[in-house]
Amino acid sequence: EAGVAQSPRYKIIEKRQSVAFWCNPISGHATLYWYQQILGQGPKLLIQFQNNGVVDDSQLPKDRFSAERLKGVDSTLKIQPAKLEDSAVYLCASSTLRGGLLTEAFFGQGTRLTVV
Amino acid sequence: AQSVTQLDSHVSVSEGTPVLLRCNYSSSYSPSLFWYVQHPNKGLQLLLKYTSAATLVKGINGFEAEFKKSETSFHLTKPSAHMSDAAEYFCVVRGGADGLTFGKGTHLIIQP
Repeated sequence: EAGVAQSPRYKIIEKRQSVAFWCNPISGHATLYWYQQILGQGPKLLIQFQNNGVVDDSQLPKDRFSAERLKGVDSTLKIQPAKLEDSAVYLCASSTLRGGLLTEAFFGQGTRLTVV
Repeated sequence: AQSVTQLDSHVSVSEGTPVLLRCNYSSSYSPSLFWYVQHPNKGLQLLLKYTSAATLVKGINGFEAEFKKSETSFHLTKPSAHMSDAAEYFCVVRGGADGLTFGKGTHLIIQP
């Protein structure tokens, strides 16, 4: 099966500009996650979707970050305006139910964002 | 609430010797536990997972981990390290249908 697709792979922007990342999860996976991984740290959950509904966005900086998954399939994550500290790899992942249990998360390759 | 503590930020072993990466967790629910590996400039790959079945879990590339509820631990081991094992390793916990909570990672260095 095809994996989680993310684009772009790399993005360089100036501070105060806006940027958007796209993710297409594995087909049929209802649960989609966005993670932020700052260099040298473990990934941090930004937002979790179940179909097109938000399950958890408690760690999403809502003054500048937004995410949507309008049709319950692909998703976009936006930052507006970007700050220097937003430089990180943004990872998308998806999970599904198997035997009534949520599977492990399958990760995309990530988008490396550099804010200058 | 859930959290993960990886007890070593760096571990260095010689090729052919055993590997031990330590992880302690806390969770309000019966947790699912995972180990992921991340090679430089590569995506996160699942090594193994515990989801309330057998407490000794075998994964890919000869790795295994043992879930010890009394010690709230899920340490990762491998009998004999290979140069290709050099990478960043993350212990991960999930309680219920929550998102995954990652540890800070352990950088594994393999000496020739």
